[in-house]
Formats: sequence, C-alpha cells, structure tokens
Amino acid sequence: DGGITQSPKYLFRKEGQNVTLSCEQNLNHDAMYWYRQDPGQGLRLIYYSQIVNDFQKGDIAEGYSVSREKKESFPLTVTSAQKNPTAFYLCASTPDRIYGYTFGSGTRLTVV
Amino acid sequence: GQQVMQIPQYQHVQEGEDFTTYCNSSTTLSNIQWYKQRPGGHPVFLIQLVKSGEVKKQKRLTFQFGEAKKNSSLHITATQTTDVGTYFCAGLRNKLSFGAGTTVTVRA
Repeated sequence: DGGITQSPKYLFRKEGQNVTLSCEQNLNHDAMYWYRQDPGQGLRLIYYSQIVNDFQKGDIAEGYSVSREKKESFPLTVTSAQKNPTAFYLCASTPDRIYGYTFGSGTRLTVV
Repeated sequence: GQQVMQIPQYQHVQEGEDFTTYCNSSTTLSNIQWYKQRPGGHPVFLIQLVKSGEVKKQKRLTFQFGEAKKNSSLHITATQTTDVGTYFCAGLRNKLSFGAGTTVTVRA
C-alpha cells in the first residue's frame, strides 16, 4: 500500500540536542511538507519541497532544517535553536498543491 | 498575509443532532479542502471544492464553497459518535493555509 511513513512515533530528547525526524513516501509525489501542530491549534508550515534538491521556508522555519536528496525522503532536523520544540510534527505529500494532501501518522517530540 | 479563520473552535453535539462549522478567508481562494483528524490521529483528506457556489455531499456531510470563493461550510446531519474529531479547512491561494479547526465531541 502507498503511503507516508514517519518515524519514530514518539521521541524524547534533552534540551540542547539536535534531533532528526524521518519522513518517507512511496506515493511518487513531487511535493512534500512539514507541519507543526500544538494542542488546540491548526497546522503551521515549517518547510516544503516541490522537487528534489529544492526546498522553501514556511511560516515557522526558524530553528529547523531539511534536505530533499531523494524524491521519497524529506527529513526534518529540529535544532537546539528552536525555542519550544515540544510538539506534534506531521509530514505530508501531494502530487501537486492543487490536490489534497496525504499525511503521515506524525511524530510526537518531547524535549525535556 | 493569507489567513483562514474557522468557527466555532469547539462544538459539543447531542447524538442525532445537526451542526455546521464555518471557514472564512481574507482573500479569494483557488480551492478549499477539508480534513478530519481523529483524536490521537493525523489529518485525513475529506474533499476539495473548486468552483464558486459548489456543493458536495459525502453521506451525512455536506460541503459548500461560497459564491465569492472566500468562505466554506461543513454541515453534518444526524451526528454519530464516529464523527468525533477535529475538522480542518484549508484554503489554497499561493499556498495552502489551514484553519485552527473545529473540535467536535458527541454526547450519546
């Protein structure tokens, strides 16, 4: 079955450490996205990529970094510069932004 | 910048009753999408509306896109416990912007 796999599902890290969240899709979608969701809030766009080897900052990119070396993979690194990294992180993909997005099951990151 | 506002934030519904959630944009949209996120889950795409005044139905769910393509609504009839979750609208202009969602709870 085609879909998006995010790993791990839960992640605990100490303050000051960088951490990388994995996102892999086998849908052959060109565009991939990273969103952050905080309790009671909507989805805020962190980074997006419309094609391999290219990515753009979203609304809240500070303290995050990404890469898009392969069409299937779009990992997100949460750096120590991110002031409040504890959140639910969602990866999504679409063949084109005019279509609906397919979301992964998310990673819940807790920084202590 | 582009903003999508969604009301109400919370909707507590008696099982069997109807309810509506509304989505409003500050700018004209190319399309509007609706997603459902079950508690502890991830958003799942429900539907997309593209044309001015478009109305689409999925069983007990009715989606509408306004004539000016700035607002949309989701109406659920005869609410069931399976309708529990958060419903997000997302409007596309230059980028897709999500509303804050309407979280629905159902009293049996």
